[in-house]
Amino acid sequence: GAVVSQHPSWVICKSGTSVKIECRSLDFQATTMFWYRQFPKQSLMLMATSNEGSKATYEQGVEKDKFLINHASLTLSTLTVTSAHPEDSSFYICSARFLGGGETQYFGPGTRLLVL
Amino acid sequence: GQQLNQSPQSMFIQEGEDVSMNCTSSSIFNTWLWYKQDPGEGPVLLIALYKAGELTSNGRLTAQFGITRKDSFLNISASIPSDVGIYFCAGGITSYDKVIFGPGTSLSVIP
Repeated sequence: GAVVSQHPSWVICKSGTSVKIECRSLDFQATTMFWYRQFPKQSLMLMATSNEGSKATYEQGVEKDKFLINHASLTLSTLTVTSAHPEDSSFYICSARFLGGGETQYFGPGTRLLVL
Repeated sequence: GQQLNQSPQSMFIQEGEDVSMNCTSSSIFNTWLWYKQDPGEGPVLLIALYKAGELTSNGRLTAQFGITRKDSFLNISASIPSDVGIYFCAGGITSYDKVIFGPGTSLSVIP
């Protein structure tokens, strides 16, 4: 149980375009979803926390107008990287938590973004 | 703010050996989580700990929640090549609504 999927698994786009990444909880209802960014050989950096039906809470230094997060249902959250630039190239990973599951987060497989 | 330290940063061991790694902090946590990440994939939950002193096993893996609530360790017995990866600890505080990740321990197993 507690399976989280992400789509797409990788994406290449031109500079200036927008990219949407989907995160789905497949077998549970995710009251809270998290979006992380990970650079090579580094730990996970939390970008934002989103609760279903409310606005996301962004970490300090993360531009909310650049990284748009929508958590419209208990099984789906989306991250849109707007006007992507090469420095946005990274590994983006979502995680989900369910009510009654404490602080335990279950991660998706990640999305590799390359901006040319 | 809260910060986690993991040691060792990396380790190279012979197949069949036991492995021990730990996670420490100057802050108190009420949840400790251990994850393994393979290259190009998301972290996979190995063990979740919810109570000080708790000792939990998952196959060849054993993890303990330190009684001071400021540390946790993970042991792997009889290592095998597929144990290779990055092991992350994460500490959680209920009122904080998120977890803090350590920098990771890179494990290499020599066949």
